[in-house]
Amino acid sequence: SQQGEEDPQALSIQEGENATMNCSYKTSINNLQWYRQNSGRGLVHLILIRSNEREKHSGRLRVTLDTSKKSSSLLITASRAADTASYFCATVSKTSYDKVIFGPGTSLSVIP
Amino acid sequence: DVKVTQSSRYLVKRTGEKVFLECVQDMDHENMFWYRQDPGLGLRLIYFSYDVKMKEKGDIPEGYSVSREKKERFSLILESASTNQTSMYLCASSLIQGGIYEQYFGPGTRLTVT
Repeated sequence: SQQGEEDPQALSIQEGENATMNCSYKTSINNLQWYRQNSGRGLVHLILIRSNEREKHSGRLRVTLDTSKKSSSLLITASRAADTASYFCATVSKTSYDKVIFGPGTSLSVIP
Repeated sequence: DVKVTQSSRYLVKRTGEKVFLECVQDMDHENMFWYRQDPGLGLRLIYFSYDVKMKEKGDIPEGYSVSREKKERFSLILESASTNQTSMYLCASSLIQGGIYEQYFGPGTRLTVT
């Protein structure tokens, strides 16, 4: 069964606005990762947050993790047309290190 | 620059054919993975390997097999292709350091079975 579930499924915003995507999961995790996928291409790793971390930044990306609610959010600030892509969260199980589970993804469209 | 390559970007095969998808990584990673990606379902793990000649079933191994004879190469085999195996296939690799961290993905192979 799917561990990570992204919300919303699709998001459309204007260039310059912020985009927020959420991910919920069910079991205890070792870490949670966010990936981006441009249309028809492979996934690119964006950021990883460990279970003992609450917030992490990388450029225009900000990720938060709330283990009590089993949820994470990805914020992209000052979005650009080039940010148009699908975004996936992936969880690595705390008990089974070899178990990586991806959610179905959020499709982000940034309109110039 | 890290690199994961896949043998084909697009592939069209007939039902019943044997299909080989190859993946090569140049990062000396222990772990390699095969996923399939379908609309609305995200990525589903087919098989993974944590060492040469080692393999573990993922969530949807039925109809697939894998081979890892060398550390850098991980092959996915469809013994007898069926139309429900039409999908995007993604290969990935990662280090293992007390857990799986960043995965590096290949560009994907879009397989159509007719």
